[in-house]
Amino acid sequence: AQRVTQPEKLLSVFKGAPVELKCNYSYSGSPELFWYVQYSRQRLQLLLRHISRESIKGFTADLNKGETSFHLKKPFAQEEDSAMYYCALGNTPLVFGKGTRLSVIA
Amino acid sequence: DAGVIQSPRHEVTEMGQEVTLRCKPISGHDYLFWYRQTMMRGLELLIYFNNNVPIDDSGMPEDRFSAKMPNASFSTLKIQPSEPRDSAVYFCASSSRGGDEQFFGPGTRLTVL
Repeated sequence: AQRVTQPEKLLSVFKGAPVELKCNYSYSGSPELFWYVQYSRQRLQLLLRHISRESIKGFTADLNKGETSFHLKKPFAQEEDSAMYYCALGNTPLVFGKGTRLSVIA
Repeated sequence: DAGVIQSPRHEVTEMGQEVTLRCKPISGHDYLFWYRQTMMRGLELLIYFNNNVPIDDSGMPEDRFSAKMPNASFSTLKIQPSEPRDSAVYFCASSSRGGDEQFFGPGTRLTVL
């Protein structure tokens, strides 16, 4: 069965510290993976997708097929990064993880 | 395109009343999804449509919930009768392909007293 696991419900880091939001997936085929972000009381919006291999707002994510992971990273956290982050697996429909709330402390 | 449009943005109603949430997907998108978001349960997929046809409604919690998509530019999610435990933010999303990026609406914040 397709599944996305985000093991941390809440992650708190200090401003300027590195951030890693974990995402593991289970999928038998060639996966397409996404990270969505939801700022307070706003809609979910796409942050990045693995096929584009780009950095958005300083975030990057690398697909590791051996470890079936797609962790989201940023070298220096900013206060405006505080939000809910969802990892999603490209299937019909998308399979979302439970989400991780990132809190960046000044 | 204005993106996915939802109305109303906020709804406060009393237990037992009928609630209708509305969604206009992005033009040209063949897939439409309804989600519910709560603190306790996170983001839950309720139902999704492809070319106006409901494909999977296994996430609809009870018979009190129903969804329709009469045409490619409009969908409704109805709760009748509403209960306090239905209080949540309801999101609509659309995509051009089933497994592709979904574009979310701003959500409807429902409070059932």
